[in-house]
Amino acid sequence: NAGVTQTPKFQVLKTGQSMTLQCAQDMNHEYMSWYRQDPGMGLRLIHYSVGAGITDQGEVPNGYNVSRSTTEDFPLRLLSAAPSQTSVYFCASRRGTDRNEQFFGPGTRLTVL
Amino acid sequence: LAKTTQPISMDSYEGQEVNITCSHNNIATNDYITWYQQFPSQGPRFIIQGYKTKVTNEVASLFIPADRKSSTLSLPRVSLSDTAVYYCLVGDWAGGGADGLTFGKGTHLIIQP
Repeated sequence: NAGVTQTPKFQVLKTGQSMTLQCAQDMNHEYMSWYRQDPGMGLRLIHYSVGAGITDQGEVPNGYNVSRSTTEDFPLRLLSAAPSQTSVYFCASRRGTDRNEQFFGPGTRLTVL
Repeated sequence: LAKTTQPISMDSYEGQEVNITCSHNNIATNDYITWYQQFPSQGPRFIIQGYKTKVTNEVASLFIPADRKSSTLSLPRVSLSDTAVYYCLVGDWAGGGADGLTFGKGTHLIIQP
């Protein structure tokens, strides 16, 4: 199993550009989530999903969209990138029965100029 | 949502036992306590989870007093490779919401030779 994979590893955008951060898991996990982590900070929840077709907002959803058309994939879309979105983005997944044991991907480091 | 408080940083030496305490005064009846470890440039990794009393695995022990208003992560005989940020999370995601997904700033543990 590859676990949770994220692409790209690094990305540089200009203000106003849009892009999609990809996240996939091969563990058949029901739950998936996106976090951002800024320097010296903990992780903040952006969006999460409890199953295909179901998504909800986390703590900092503004400027981001998500969709969950399959169990495996949970892409995060930046609609119009802003310098404030410069951060490291982590995707995570977990089984429905395993409460808070999440498995995290390696992260995507995004810089918005 | 239960809020957690933990020390910002701690220092110790190789071979010592390290105890990191987390306060969660408004923990709810259905909440579980979960600890994660994060190394630089990596996603967090699940360490241990518990509801009450004591839980032990091959990596750590988790002590939870009867009132469950705090918990202590115990790392036996630490090594330099245990230098990382440790996060305490409290919540119960079984209901399908975002409960239990909140990461604070964590405790930066530094192990010295």
